[in-house]
Amino acid sequence: QSALAQPPSASGTPGQRVSISCSGRSSNIGSNHVYWYQQLPGTAPKLLIYENNQRPSGVPDRFSGSKSGTSASLAISGLRSEDEADYYCAAWDDSLRGPVFGGGTKLTVL
Amino acid sequence: EVQLVESGGALVQPGGSLRLSCAASGFTFSTYWMSWVRQAPGKGLEWVANIRQDGGEIYYVESVKGRFTISRDNTKNSLFVQMNSLRVEDTAVYYCARSDDYGPSFGYWGQGTLVTVSS
Repeated sequence: QSALAQPPSASGTPGQRVSISCSGRSSNIGSNHVYWYQQLPGTAPKLLIYENNQRPSGVPDRFSGSKSGTSASLAISGLRSEDEADYYCAAWDDSLRGPVFGGGTKLTVL
Repeated sequence: EVQLVESGGALVQPGGSLRLSCAASGFTFSTYWMSWVRQAPGKGLEWVANIRQDGGEIYYVESVKGRFTISRDNTKNSLFVQMNSLRVEDTAVYYCARSDDYGPSFGYWGQGTLVTVSS
């Protein structure tokens, strides 16, 4: 059971906007930054969002992150077939004294 | 270009030991926190351990404490993890990752190395 809760799956059609939630507690999301990763099939994860809502260089502005209280969300607008991947949220946990990940959300582009 | 290349993955029996290495290039290795993150077959990501730039601060996930030891050699731009008393549940692809601090800001990842613990 992961420290951060994500829906196991999400889906959308090309061009749509989809949102993936990440729920935690006061010891992790409630008091620390949230990060999002994209993992394409058979590849290493890639940093998509850092410090709740910042995009690394090269990440399209179709991807955006937000945080409120002990929850966070990743939004993908203008969905494309190449966005089909697993998405993970992560945050430092003050109680566990280490980074924790969500269980991952498999995004399917219909 | 930043590169992280893991090696050392193998098939090992339960109770056995293994040492993984990660060779870093394309950046000043001694100025970054480094981590090991693993992914069991068909499962999600799990952070395993991380180490500060000078090796003076180290954290482990509870499940590996007392069995795994993370270390680094800044003169050789290398990260290591010594894994002892391996269990079937340690079976995973192990990734080396670079971060700006002790948190999960993993900006660069290696391609991973597979560790299989089985009799």
